[in-house]
Parts: sequence; C-alpha cells; structure tokens
Amino acid sequence: EAGVAQSPRYKIIEKRQSVAFWCNPISGHATLYWYQQILGQGPKLLIQFQNNGVVDDSQLPKDRFSAERLKGVDSTLKIQPAKLEDSAVYLCASSQDRNTIYFGEGSWLTVV
Amino acid sequence: AQKVTQAQTEISVVEKEDVTLDCVYETRDTTYYLFWYKQPPSGELVFLIRRNSFDEQNEISGRYSWNFQKSTSSFNFTITASQVVDSAVYFCASASGNTGKLIFGQGTTLQVKP
Repeated sequence: EAGVAQSPRYKIIEKRQSVAFWCNPISGHATLYWYQQILGQGPKLLIQFQNNGVVDDSQLPKDRFSAERLKGVDSTLKIQPAKLEDSAVYLCASSQDRNTIYFGEGSWLTVV
Repeated sequence: AQKVTQAQTEISVVEKEDVTLDCVYETRDTTYYLFWYKQPPSGELVFLIRRNSFDEQNEISGRYSWNFQKSTSSFNFTITASQVVDSAVYFCASASGNTGKLIFGQGTTLQVKP
C-alpha cells in the first residue's frame, strides 16, 4: 500500500515570496492533516480535513496560510507571503478512522 | 487542554543497552489516545503504537515495550537491546477522543552508539 506522498521535498524561498505544497493521502483515507514542525519541536496541527470539509483550522495563520482539499483526495497548502519564522517541515498525514494516523516524509521549507 | 511532556531531550546509549523514554501527559478527557512515533533523519514520522485510555495493559512488540500507567499519567517506551538503527527522534503524542488531533511532546533524541 502506498504511503502519504508529498512534494516538493525541499524548497528555499525568499521572504515575502509564495510557496505551495502538495499532498496525496493514502487511498481511501477520509481525514487529512497538515502539521508544521519547527526545528527542535514536536509537530503542531495547522488544519484538519474530513473529506473536503475543514474540521479544525484554529491554529492556521489565515492571514498568510491557506489550504484546500478538492474532491476529498489531494490537498495543497499555500503560504503567501512567507516569513522567516515559517521555516519548518510541513507534514501531511492521513487517517481512515482518526485513530491511526500516517505521516508523509514532509516538505522542508527554508525562508531566507 | 491537553499537554505532553518528554523531559528527556537527548539520550545516548551504547548498542545492546536497554533504554526507556519517558512521556507524561495531561488531559481532562476520560476518553483519549496515546501514541508513540519514530522520526528518523529522513523526516517521516513512523507510527509505533496507539493506546486508548481504557486499556492499561502493557504491550510488547519485539524489542519494544510500552508501559501505560494512568495513576501517574505516564506512557513510557522501552527499547531492549538497543541497536544503531534505533537512533532517531521519538515523539509521544495524545489525542482527545476520536478527534485524531495529535498533541505532540517536544521529542527525545536517541543516539545509539556502536
């Protein structure tokens, strides 16, 4: 069974530029999550989708971050404009039952 | 609000030693789940175990074992006869009910030296 796929793996951008990350969850998983992991810290939930609806986006900085999940499958996370403090790993995860959650390898963002 | 504390920032052991990673959680929920994940240098979080709040039975999987004690709000992870491939960052996490919203600890970096 294929795991959670993410791209790009690495991205370096200048502050105030924009960036987008893509995620393809495990087939059949209705729940999709985006987490932000700053170096040396545990991941923090940004947004949770159930099919193509948002369940929780309380920790998403909505002035610069946006996410969508079209057709309840793939998802994109966008940052515009990026700030230095957005440098982090962006982890996508998916779950069939919200009990066992599987993560992708992450997209590493460096903002300079 | 939920909180997970991993007091050990870094642990270094020599191969074949046993090592225990500590995890203390805080929650007001009666139904919750506890998790352990392994994060190798590649960055992917690898699922190791999930426990629900009603099941305090300890679990063993090969060289890995977990001790869940509600009385001390702890969910500790022991690796027996550690190997170099066990070197990674290990995260403990909790989730309230069936939300699937994971609250992670700060992680413990384990280095196993040959």
